[in-house]
Amino acid sequence: EPEVTQTPSHQVTQMGQEVILRCVPISNHLYFYWYRQILGQKVEFLVSFYNNEISEKSEIFDDQFSVERPDGSNFTLKIRSTKLEDSAMYFCASSELLAGGGDTQYFGPGTRLTVL
Amino acid sequence: RKEVEQDPGPFNVPEGATVAFNCTYSNSASQSFFWYRQDCRKEPKLLMSVYSSGNEDGRFTAQLNRASQYISLLIRDSKLSDSATYLCVVNPSSYKLIFGSGTRLLVRP
Repeated sequence: EPEVTQTPSHQVTQMGQEVILRCVPISNHLYFYWYRQILGQKVEFLVSFYNNEISEKSEIFDDQFSVERPDGSNFTLKIRSTKLEDSAMYFCASSELLAGGGDTQYFGPGTRLTVL
Repeated sequence: RKEVEQDPGPFNVPEGATVAFNCTYSNSASQSFFWYRQDCRKEPKLLMSVYSSGNEDGRFTAQLNRASQYISLLIRDSKLSDSATYLCVVNPSSYKLIFGSGTRLLVRP
């Protein structure tokens, strides 16, 4: 069964450093998403991406965040200058069609980001 | 009012029990509804989509009441492996999902 993959599984970084989280969505999917989950809290939407541009973003997704699809398979989330409060699990997801069409978003296993 | 509201639980039930979870959502324009399951420190996994007509998948039954903005999940004949956090998820726009905080289920032998 095809699945979303993410690397690394755990990233430890110093405050102020840049990090890039990587995702490989399911191959025939067209819509890509990033979510985060701070420990003990709910899953929160960050950004959605389609046709090489951002479709929607949340208030959390400020200028410190950016997304990119550098090639035909990878989808990345960059945090330019990490803060302590960026420590969380970051989930990538993909869907074949729009969620509004009732389509399913499939989630990757997540990258645990720890900012020291 | 929270966008998606759930009772956090935990619900502690014996094997074989029937358990029901409820969820309310605030955005009446929401288009799609789902129940996801999340195991500890793992990714959310789709359990089932929820339709106005109600739908069933084995031991799981989901119902949607658009007028009351209310979603439910019924689990019959609980198994130990059903122990997890159940996430009510709403799609208020085409491009994102909004998650509830989850309801924790513990099934004991």
